[in-house]
Amino acid sequence: SQTIHQWPATLVQPVGSPLSLECTVEGTSNPNLYWYRQAAGRGLQLLFYSVGIGQISSEVPQNLSASRPQDRQFILSSKKLLLSDSGFYLCAWTPGYNQPQHFGDGTRLSIL
Amino acid sequence: AQSVTQLGSHVSVSEGALVLLRCNYSSSVPPYLFWYVQYPNQGLQLLLKYTSAATLVKGINGFEAEFKKSETSFHLTKPSAHMSDAAEYFCAVSETSGSRLTFGEGTQLTVNP
Repeated sequence: SQTIHQWPATLVQPVGSPLSLECTVEGTSNPNLYWYRQAAGRGLQLLFYSVGIGQISSEVPQNLSASRPQDRQFILSSKKLLLSDSGFYLCAWTPGYNQPQHFGDGTRLSIL
Repeated sequence: AQSVTQLGSHVSVSEGALVLLRCNYSSSVPPYLFWYVQYPNQGLQLLLKYTSAATLVKGINGFEAEFKKSETSFHLTKPSAHMSDAAEYFCAVSETSGSRLTFGEGTQLTVNP
């Protein structure tokens, strides 16, 4: 069966520090991959999605970036975190178009 | 472009009462629709999906949703609420390209004893 792993579960970082969140999917190949951010009490904001290795689509201009170095690995990064980057980050995958997305357990990021 | 509106950011019901969470969508093509549930500090879990087969879709945990094209609605219901149903619920529609989902703002369900 397919599983998705996201880590770390929680992270506390100072303003201006770098960020690297990792997401991997097991049990499938060539998934579509997604990064979302969920601010407190709000809905989901799509940040990036990828339909293949090295293919990244950015939805919102910001100081975050994403990379897909391997088929089932999706990384969210920042060189310098801002206070506004705080939130709950969710990774998701789907086997193809018009299919439901399956979510990881999320990373709670707090910026101090 | 597709859009989703969830009426009521907060819904409160008594244990054993009917749960009705409203979702209206806008789509230029036949939609694929989904309901998700999110418990605190967890990811989203798929409850059910509509993919143009049956208009009444049954999901997990006793939930079901009915697709009504004339009303552009996909409301989520459960006959009898349990305390464990307290969570946030999201309705989503597949984008025209099929590669992305558009989510509603979510409805927080509270179940009172």
